[in-house]
Amino acid sequence: AQSVTQLGSHVSVSEGALVLLRCNYSSSVPPYLFWYVQYPNQGLQLLLKYTSAATLVKGINGFEAEFKKSETSFHLTKPSAHMSDAAEYFCAVSDRGSSASKIIFGSGTRLSIRP
Amino acid sequence: GAVVSQHPSWVICKSGTSVKIECRSLDFQATTMFWYRQFPKQSLMLMATSNEGSKATYEQGVEKDKFLINHASLTLSTLTVTSAHPEDSSFYICSASAPGQGTYGYTFGSGTRLTVV
Repeated sequence: AQSVTQLGSHVSVSEGALVLLRCNYSSSVPPYLFWYVQYPNQGLQLLLKYTSAATLVKGINGFEAEFKKSETSFHLTKPSAHMSDAAEYFCAVSDRGSSASKIIFGSGTRLSIRP
Repeated sequence: GAVVSQHPSWVICKSGTSVKIECRSLDFQATTMFWYRQFPKQSLMLMATSNEGSKATYEQGVEKDKFLINHASLTLSTLTVTSAHPEDSSFYICSASAPGQGTYGYTFGSGTRLTVV
């Protein structure tokens, strides 16, 4: 069975500060890992994904994440937070079976940006 | 890029009635569609997986007779909430998948907020 754990249900940073959202995964097979962002009353937008190519993955809006197998982690970072980054962020995992594989989501982290 | 359209974006219905939510892949053929449910300030919980032309596979604890899923074509899946009750009020999101699609398949609709009164 696969799962992801997001540490911290709420993270608050100042505008311009580093954003770090933590995600640890559990998987019996090499995983695909994703970060999604959700704005209020909207669907999910893919920020980035890891599918076994480079371990450092760059996504949209200046976000990036590093896959660390030894730590079973896939933390999301952004060097400088912007007010528009305030949203809910979900880490997710899937197996590599096929495009019909389920995605399992973490509990989410709400990111707040202080002016 | 891949686009998934979900309709309606919000719906209010009376207790005991049924509501149908549509999920369409606009520019690709979705071999698999997923339906999720999200309660306020919570994560997405997978309800069921549907493959075109076959019966949906429901997650444990999801009532298949209450949440009817149809995936009759490669571009359309529907979720019907039958005999809706206030506890069914939630945010429902679909996701469509196809081999070779850019993100390895997972494109989400914009969600449907269902309120049962």
